[in-house]
Amino acid sequence: GAGVSQSPRYKVTKRGQDVALRCDPISGHVSLYWYRQALGQGPEFLTYFNYEAQQDKSGLPNDRFSAERPEGSISTLTIQRTEQRDSAMYRCASSSHDRQFFGPGTRLTVL
Amino acid sequence: AQSVTQLDSQVPVFEEAPVELRCNYSSSVSVYLFWYVQYPNQGLQLLLKYLSGSTLVKGINGFEAEFNKSQTSFHLRKPSVHISDTAEYFCAVSLSYNTDKLIFGTGTRLQVFP
Repeated sequence: GAGVSQSPRYKVTKRGQDVALRCDPISGHVSLYWYRQALGQGPEFLTYFNYEAQQDKSGLPNDRFSAERPEGSISTLTIQRTEQRDSAMYRCASSSHDRQFFGPGTRLTVL
Repeated sequence: AQSVTQLDSQVPVFEEAPVELRCNYSSSVSVYLFWYVQYPNQGLQLLLKYLSGSTLVKGINGFEAEFNKSQTSFHLRKPSVHISDTAEYFCAVSLSYNTDKLIFGTGTRLQVFP
């Protein structure tokens, strides 16, 4: 079946603009995770949901970052007033049983 | 808190040679262990995982890893690598096998030469 999809795959924006990154998990997966991966680093946890409930947002770096999953399926990660340090690959994963399945990521570049 | 250390940022190796990618973790409680692979321009793909039971875990593409609790290690091995194994490899830990965040190491770039 279809895997985890993310859109857009690439996003270039100017500093100060808001961006919304979308994640479409594998159908039926209860848990959804967001990670951020800087160049040359491993993915870093941001937040995760079980169904529509945000279970842990301890990894969100500051209040410019927020995420939602209103119907327990598609999730949106929003970054307000973007800064150059927000440039990274943003990865989404959904899980079933004992593994997380990762999407291809959204490469965000803030100029 | 948990942490993962991948001691080698890059590992160059010739085709058909054996390879070991090292991973050490730190945790005051029991953890579950994973290895993921990232091919160029692709998402992360699970190679193998240790949840419980036998400490030697076999994964896809001929890779295996051994959990060593006393040394807090989970090194990844392959007896004979192929050009197609060139990729970034990430070790990760989790407190739960299905509903908790993954904590990743910084990754090891495996470069296989002909």
